[in-house]
Amino acid sequence: EDKVVQSPLSLVVHEGDTVTLNCSYEVTNFRSLLWYKQEKKAPTFLFMLTSSGIEKKSGRLSSILDKKELFSILNITATQTGDSAVYLCAVESSGGGADGLTFGKGTHLIIQP
Amino acid sequence: EPEVTQTPSHQVTQMGQEVILRCVPISNHLYFYWYRQILGQKVEFLVSFYNNEISEKSEIFDDQFSVERPDGSNFTLKIRSTKLEDSAMYFCASRQFYEQYFGPGTRLTVT
Repeated sequence: EDKVVQSPLSLVVHEGDTVTLNCSYEVTNFRSLLWYKQEKKAPTFLFMLTSSGIEKKSGRLSSILDKKELFSILNITATQTGDSAVYLCAVESSGGGADGLTFGKGTHLIIQP
Repeated sequence: EPEVTQTPSHQVTQMGQEVILRCVPISNHLYFYWYRQILGQKVEFLVSFYNNEISEKSEIFDDQFSVERPDGSNFTLKIRSTKLEDSAMYFCASRQFYEQYFGPGTRLTVT
């Protein structure tokens, strides 16, 4: 059974701090790892990672995948209150294009002003 | 920017009743999905749909559930006889090539 474990489960920091969120996984036939941000409702897509060691970056957010050690990190620098959300890590196995994602429980990030 | 839409946003139903949750995926997407998230728990995969048939389903997706794409735009999830434990947020997602895009969800409350 595919498994995704995120840590920490919750994190409270002050505005301006840098945070690192962790995601480890066990999955047969790994295809990709995705990060989503969930505020009130729908998860919104952040990154998709398929190759080890290649950093993906979008503004203050960045992410990298280690396929040997089976984990990924999501970094957020110079955090703002608008970054407060649940960050979800999900993995996809390569049974075919229509495979469902296996999600972790998420990291609940709170940014205090 | 195109987005996945879902209706209704909130549905309240009595135990044993049938419900149909509706989704309009992003046009030109080929793969469609339903997920659910019970309050306080993780997002769980239910079913995927491609080329007018189910591609994959999880253990949660038992005979009480069915999916349909009745026309070129809608994608529906039907729960035949709802149980209390079906209360959850139900998300639809669609995909063209790589990443899945999620709709805003339907909150289903079974009383």
